Amino acid sequence: AQKVTQAQTEISVVEKEDVTLDCVYETRDTTYYLFWYKQPPSGELVFLIRRNSFDEQNEISGRYSWNFQKSTSSFNFTITASQVVDSAVYFCALSGGLDSNYQLIWGAGTKLIIKP
Amino acid sequence: EAGVAQSPRYKIIEKRQSVAFWCNPISGHATLYWYQQILGQGPKLLIQFQNNGVVDDSQLPKDRFSAERLKGVDSTLKIQPAKLEDSAVYLCASSLDRWGQYTEAFFGQGTRLTVV
Repeated sequence: AQKVTQAQTEISVVEKEDVTLDCVYETRDTTYYLFWYKQPPSGELVFLIRRNSFDEQNEISGRYSWNFQKSTSSFNFTITASQVVDSAVYFCALSGGLDSNYQLIWGAGTKLIIKP
Repeated sequence: EAGVAQSPRYKIIEKRQSVAFWCNPISGHATLYWYQQILGQGPKLLIQFQNNGVVDDSQLPKDRFSAERLKGVDSTLKIQPAKLEDSAVYLCASSLDRWGQYTEAFFGQGTRLTVV
């Protein structure tokens, strides 16, 4: 069965610190996709990144970076020089194939608090 | 490009009443999802449409919840009769591809339902 674990329920850091949000997944599919979404206090889920299982290259987008490691089934998200506007709940999600009935499986989310 | 539109944004009803939510996905998106998000939890898929056909409704409480997607575009989700535990945010999302697993889903702002 597919599963996504975000062990950190809540993280609080001071502005300008770097912070890493962990995501560990389980799947039997050989082809799958991993996603990160941001949910600010306004409530809308905002897409951040999609990564397929055949592409283990790390990705950097401004202050955001993602580390995908198939060997440890992890897809961690790092924010460098955090800002107050980064405060939100961040969700990791997994989309697979037949084993998951093509569903998008969500982690429980990590609430990130950036203090000024 | 217009995003996913949902209405109403907020709704308060008494238990045993009925309520309906409306969603207009991004133009051209084949896949439409309804999610229920209870406070502090990740989204839970209620139903997934591909065009106007149901792909997955395994977690939809069919004794009280119903959904339809007319002409493969707009969708409505109805609850009748509502229970206290239905209090949640109902999120609509859409994605471009056939099965929804290869491209990201775009979310509306959600409808916050409070059942009293």
